[in-house]
Amino acid sequence: GAGVSQSPSNKVTEKGKDVELRCDPISGHTALYWYRQSLGQGLEFLIYFQGNSAPDKSGLPSDRFSAERTGGSVSTLTIQRTQQEDSAVYLCASSPRAYEQYFGPGTRLTVT
Amino acid sequence: GESVGLHLPTLSVQEGDNSIINCAYSNSASDYFIWYKQESGKGPQFIIDIRSNMDKRQGQRVTVLLNKTVKHLSLQIAATQPGDSAVYFCAETGSGGYQKVTFGTGTKLQVIP
Repeated sequence: GAGVSQSPSNKVTEKGKDVELRCDPISGHTALYWYRQSLGQGLEFLIYFQGNSAPDKSGLPSDRFSAERTGGSVSTLTIQRTQQEDSAVYLCASSPRAYEQYFGPGTRLTVT
Repeated sequence: GESVGLHLPTLSVQEGDNSIINCAYSNSASDYFIWYKQESGKGPQFIIDIRSNMDKRQGQRVTVLLNKTVKHLSLQIAATQPGDSAVYFCAETGSGGYQKVTFGTGTKLQVIP
């Protein structure tokens, strides 16, 4: 079956511009996570959604970052007024149960 | 704060040998520990998990050991193959349903043919 998909796969943007990153989770998975991974680094938790519960936004690094999940499915991560330090790979994962996450291929964001 | 860390950033292993990747954690309240494999240019892939009430769990060619006394986790890969070359992450999470998952910094496994 289809896995987690993310778009775009690569995004180059100028400093100060806004970007939107999209995640299509696996159908039926109730939880969705966003992570950020800098080159050669581990995964930094950003936010997660679980069903209709309020999302856990504790990992968002600043108020320039926000995320939505519409209809319990597709999610969009928005970064406003991008900075060079936002350059990273943004990974989305969906989960059918608490301890098993299925990751998408990521979106590589480069802020110039 | 709590953290999950790895002892070695890079591990080189001869093809056919067994690999052992280690991980230390500091959050004694962690209930689940998970190992992920990340190949170059791809997202992490779930390998195996273990609950805190277990000390060993086996999968296909992989074994995870948990030592709660010293807060240590290891992943053993039997008969390492070139396809095992990747970065391996340990991660931990709490109990009670969906929780934030904290990842370690990763160990790069290089398999020498």
